[in-house]
Amino acid sequence: DTAVSQTPKYLVTQMGNDKSIKCEQNLGHDTMYWYKQDSKKFLKIMFSYNNKELIINETVPNRFSPKSPDKAHLNLHINSLELGDSAVYFCASSQGGAGGNQPQHFGDGTRLSIL
Amino acid sequence: GNSVTQMEGPVTLSEEAFLTINCTYTATGYPSLFWYVQYPGEGLQLLLKATKADDKGSNKGFEATYRKETTSFHLEKGSVQVSDSAVYFCALIGRGNNNDMRFGAGTRLTVKP
Repeated sequence: DTAVSQTPKYLVTQMGNDKSIKCEQNLGHDTMYWYKQDSKKFLKIMFSYNNKELIINETVPNRFSPKSPDKAHLNLHINSLELGDSAVYFCASSQGGAGGNQPQHFGDGTRLSIL
Repeated sequence: GNSVTQMEGPVTLSEEAFLTINCTYTATGYPSLFWYVQYPGEGLQLLLKATKADDKGSNKGFEATYRKETTSFHLEKGSVQVSDSAVYFCALIGRGNNNDMRFGAGTRLTVKP
């Protein structure tokens, strides 16, 4: 199936640990994103990559480091996890770069819970 | 900068009621406008879109018309079903800003039988 897939779906870990979330899209898109959705459902963009190049880097702690090995993958590594990192993290992708109007396609989310 | 404001929820309706979720935007130029729906435990799915003024996006009985004069993109459905219960997000992509999509805060809709 063509889709944006992210793993794992659920991640429960202790404060202070380091964890990674992986995202892959097989839609042939050249732009990928990471969003954080808090408990009130508010969506905040974190990062955007276009053809492996970082183009959006919102105010996010530097404990969060995205990595894009190729344009079909955008992984998110988080160091020294904190309680406030508990949220659902969504990966998305779209076609087109600057000024495009193509919608974004979302993965099913990774629910991160910090104990 | 670009932004989207949508009506606060939660919204609770009875089955077959008429739905309106208001959305207004602030943007330079003419953005593209979208409605996304998020069902419980799932990611966001594109519901409909409109890319220029007076365009009407429609899907699954939902409609929204791009109103440049009022900078609005209100979501409507004539008769809601229990299966429409979800969180609805209005969003825009501005012109020339690296495809940066801005989302509204989301409106939770609950439809009761």
